[in-house]
Amino acid sequence: GQQLNQSPQSMFIQEGEDVSMNCTSSSIFNTWLWYKQDPGEGPVLLIALYKAGELTSNGRLTAQFGITRKDSFLNISASIPSDVGIYFCAGQLFPSGTYKYIFGTGTRLKVLA
Amino acid sequence: GAVVSQHPSWVICKSGTSVKIECRSLDFQATTMFWYRQFPKQSLMLMATSNEGSKATYEQGVEKDKFLINHASLTLSTLTVTSAHPEDSSFYICSASTGKYTEAFFGQGTRLTVV
Repeated sequence: GQQLNQSPQSMFIQEGEDVSMNCTSSSIFNTWLWYKQDPGEGPVLLIALYKAGELTSNGRLTAQFGITRKDSFLNISASIPSDVGIYFCAGQLFPSGTYKYIFGTGTRLKVLA
Repeated sequence: GAVVSQHPSWVICKSGTSVKIECRSLDFQATTMFWYRQFPKQSLMLMATSNEGSKATYEQGVEKDKFLINHASLTLSTLTVTSAHPEDSSFYICSASTGKYTEAFFGQGTRLTVV
């Protein structure tokens, strides 16, 4: 099935460092969503973006909807141990009058205390 | 708000039996629900999209007779894995949305193990 490309695939960082990850696609999306998934649980919504160029923050998290509508990035500032997990981007598509969400390949984050 | 509850959280079944997984939106009406499958250390793969009162739309390669989806109300969708086999063992997750240009909220997932 379709997937969005996320990078990096994984990263190890020191507590307190800033983190940046991005998501790219060959298709245009009208909505970008960022989720965090802990082991054995469903993804939890972090940030939703609806307009090209939009920059939105949620606490230490900041995400932007790319101008071309084909990419998005997520930044985490001053990382803490509980930031560990897998981060997924998701884009919304509108095939044939309906809609669906396609997920990125994920970025696995590990924070070293 | 925006709570999605999935049940059961885990299930073990014998090969050849069927298993039903429920997905409920507890505090909102979900016009559309989505079912995903996730293998270890991989991303979420969309299996099907279901709208209340109509037939589900399955992604390419997903067997509709194997994975039966029913979306009987605006707050409940079910996924039934029929004649389950060990290769159906996986983590199944549902999500619910109120419409286009909105967010999707996820259930906690169901770990299915077929023995």
